[in-house]
Formats: sequence, structure tokens, C-alpha cells
Amino acid sequence: DIQMTQSPSSLSASVGDRVTITCRASQSISNYLNWYQQKPGKAPKLLIYSASTLQSGVPSRFSGSRSGTDFTLTISSLQPEDFATYYCQQSYSTLEITFGPGTKVDVK
Amino acid sequence: QVQLQESGPGLVKPSETLSLTCTVSGDSINGCYWNWIRQSPGKGLEWIGYMYSSGSTNYNPSLRSRVTMSVDTSKNQFSLKLSSVTAADTAVYYCARDRGSNWPTYNFDDWGQGTLVTVSS
Repeated sequence: DIQMTQSPSSLSASVGDRVTITCRASQSISNYLNWYQQKPGKAPKLLIYSASTLQSGVPSRFSGSRSGTDFTLTISSLQPEDFATYYCQQSYSTLEITFGPGTKVDVK
Repeated sequence: QVQLQESGPGLVKPSETLSLTCTVSGDSINGCYWNWIRQSPGKGLEWIGYMYSSGSTNYNPSLRSRVTMSVDTSKNQFSLKLSSVTAADTAVYYCARDRGSNWPTYNFDDWGQGTLVTVSS
């Protein structure tokens, strides 16, 4: 099965900071990579699918990119409502969909 | 705006069957792929499987022997049964809709609020 790793596992940032989170797949998954945001006590929210396509209604400060098996989620200017945990998820292997372990973004 | 709501017992005894229902409101259950996903501190987010409104399914191989999903289009509901549960099945269980309609994309764009199921005697 395809393993997903994320780095860092947590980071501290301030409002207005540019934040970058990396997700790495254990094998090629093409662009089949999605990003979710989860706040405490809430369900995950789809932010980006197919590595770089913004889900409808998601602010444009969120963006995604791919380089080989490395994927990046970037928040261009962190807002107060962006403090949350972010998960990547591969949708390439439809036999077993897997999520990354998450990256927690908290207040510096 | 579609809304999903999970319901079912919050406590299940070891070796018994966990049963949950997801009620869909604001849209028809027909023509969509409906998923179950769980989240536990130990294993993180884990996809359990999907059921299409016509009845076709795709289950996570690691859970396939214990999972059964079903749909009741007349009630706009779909259900999950997980048999022979152990403490490792303790988790928050979410139902979620796939963004796709003609085929599954495995992008989950609408989620229920989640329900905690604890396996304990």
C-alpha cells in the first residue's frame, strides 16, 4: 500500500506568515493528491484536490503544487481561521485510500 | 446544501457488531458515492469504504472481511456494519460524500459531524 508522510508534524506561525506543508508519497501517485483542513471537534474540510485544484469556496490564499512524489500545500498569508490540522490524502490507489498523519498549525 | 448526519450506538461491546446510519438531507442519495471514514488517535484518518446509490461497493482491504454497507434510497440513508469489533475499532466515524457522480473521485467534499463509537465491555 501507498504510505503518505507529512512534514513538519507541527509548526508555529503568526497571522500573515507564509506557511508551507509537505506531503510525500511512497510511490508515484500522479496528481491524485488531496488536502483537507480539520479544526478541533469538526470533520475534515476538502481544500484542494488533484494536487492543485482549489475546491469551490476555498480562499485563494491556499494553493497546492507537485514535484514528483512530493506535494506542497501553501497558505500565502495565514489568517486566524487557518489555525488547524492539515491532512493530505492519496486517491491514486483505489484499492486503499490513505491519509497522511497530519500537520498541526498553531499560534506562535 | 447537502447535510449528512451519523447516528447509532456510542458504545459497543467487544466481538459485537457496530451499526451506524448516515441520513442525507438537502439532496438525493441517488447518483452519488457515499463513504465511511473513521479517525482514531492511534491510526489517524482511515477510509473504510464506499457504497454507490445503486448498491455497488468498494471496501478497504484491511477491513473488508468485517464490513457491510447498505443503502435505503426511500429513506435517503446509507449504513455501515462492522462485525467482530475490538478496542482498535474505537474511533470517530464519519460519513462523507464523494465529489464525483459518474465515477468515484475519492475526494470527499461533504462530511457529517462524526460520531464517537467506543468499543468496551
